[in-house]
Amino acid sequence: AQKITQTQPGMFVQEKEAVTLDCTYDTSDPSYGLFWYKQPSSGEMIFLIYQGSYDQQNATEGRYSLNFQKARKSANLVISASQLGDSAMYFCAMRERGYSTLTFGKGTMLLVSP
Amino acid sequence: SAVISQKPSRDICQRGTSLTIQCQVDSQVTMMFWYRQQPGQSLTLIATANQGSEATYESGFVIDKFPISRPNLTFSTLTVSNMSPEDSSIYLCSVAHQGSYGYTFGSGTRLTVV
Repeated sequence: AQKITQTQPGMFVQEKEAVTLDCTYDTSDPSYGLFWYKQPSSGEMIFLIYQGSYDQQNATEGRYSLNFQKARKSANLVISASQLGDSAMYFCAMRERGYSTLTFGKGTMLLVSP
Repeated sequence: SAVISQKPSRDICQRGTSLTIQCQVDSQVTMMFWYRQQPGQSLTLIATANQGSEATYESGFVIDKFPISRPNLTFSTLTVSNMSPEDSSIYLCSVAHQGSYGYTFGSGTRLTVV
């Protein structure tokens, strides 16, 4: 079974609108971390936001926020006021206790139109 | 967080040849990770490189095909050997942040095998 599921292969949004990218995860470990990365066409991986499983509040970083619903095992990324430069691939990832590396979802391609 | 310099950024190689990718980190890190991203796909971990010991390879990846060197705590190389067109991918190195939860990625090497 996939540990990270991103069900939206592609999303379209108009500039200045908000968009939510979905991510669900599967783990039996009570201690884990969830990450979102942005990958522009250049190929680099840019860290956006992190949510720990014990964090009481949803993480926020500027225009990015993470809608963390622990019981539903979802960690959706919300981008407010989309910009043309937000067009990129977005990956959700998880790190479980006892593992030193990240497990990635398949990604969502976001296209922002003027 | 660490800054990683990854070289080359891209290359076009003949089948049957080998390419060595380098990652230089601006601080000492315990573990470095090498990922492959095939076209349109997510990131897959190739191996974890620890200084002073052999790399630990994930299922489906072998040392003869992807030899890794880790001579010190700031540098690592990944060689893609005896290349075929199926090796055309983006290769990324990554390090775990010391004392915190994040991961930094190199800018990636876009490899095309013809």
